[in-house]
Amino acid sequence: KNQVEQSPQSLIILEGKNCTLQCNYTVSPFSNLRWYKQDTGRGPVSLTIMTFSENTKSNGRYTATLDADTKQSSLHITASQLSDSASYICVVSTGAGGYNKLIFGAGTRLAVHP
Amino acid sequence: NAGVTQTPKFRVLKTGQSMTLLCAQDMNHEYMYWYRQDPGMGLRLIHYSVGEGTTAKGEVPDGYNVSRLKKQNFLLGLESAAPSQTSVYFCASSYGTVESPLHFGNGTRLTVT
Repeated sequence: KNQVEQSPQSLIILEGKNCTLQCNYTVSPFSNLRWYKQDTGRGPVSLTIMTFSENTKSNGRYTATLDADTKQSSLHITASQLSDSASYICVVSTGAGGYNKLIFGAGTRLAVHP
Repeated sequence: NAGVTQTPKFRVLKTGQSMTLLCAQDMNHEYMYWYRQDPGMGLRLIHYSVGEGTTAKGEVPDGYNVSRLKKQNFLLGLESAAPSQTSVYFCASSYGTVESPLHFGNGTRLTVT
C-alpha cells in the first residue's frame, strides 16, 4: 500500500533555532517528492521538489534532502522565524505523465515561539 | 494574480441539504482537483478533471459530484449532506505534468449538523 508518514506530528521550537522534519514513504513507482507549506487557514504552497537523482535542494532557509534507497526525505529549516509557523506536508508522486497520482502525508505542525 | 479562488469560505449545512462549492483559476491550467482535509489525515482526492468537459473519480468520490463546463471553473456538489462530510475542502489546479506543482485555493470549511 502506498503510504507517506511524517514525523513528528507537531513540534515547538524557539525563534532562531533550527529544526528537521522527516518524511518516510513506501510508494512505488516513485516519480518525485514535494514539500508544501500550509499556513493556518490557507491552502498548501509548494516549497521544493525532489526527483530520484537529487540528494539535496535548498530554497532560502529551507533545505530538503532525499535518500531514494531508504525512501526517506527531510526538510531542514535554518534560523527559524515566527513566519515559519505552519504545517509542512510531504507529497510523493507515483505518476509518470497523464494523471499524476499524489500520496499526501498528514503533515508536521511547526510552532515557532519568540 | 488571483490564482485559485474558492467560494464560499465557510458554510454550515443541515443533514440532507445540498450545496455547491465554486472554484475558479486564472492560470489557464488544464487540470483541476477537489480535495478534502481532515484532522490527522493527508489530503484526499475527491474528484479531478484533466480538461474542460471531463471529470474523473478520485479516492473518496461517494456523496459528491463535479462539473467542469468551463476550463477555468470546477464545481463540487453535495446533493444530500451528511455529518461525515464535515471537512475543509480545497480546490487545486496544475498544468498536469509530473513536475508541475498544485496551486491551491484557501479552502472552504464546511460543517454539517
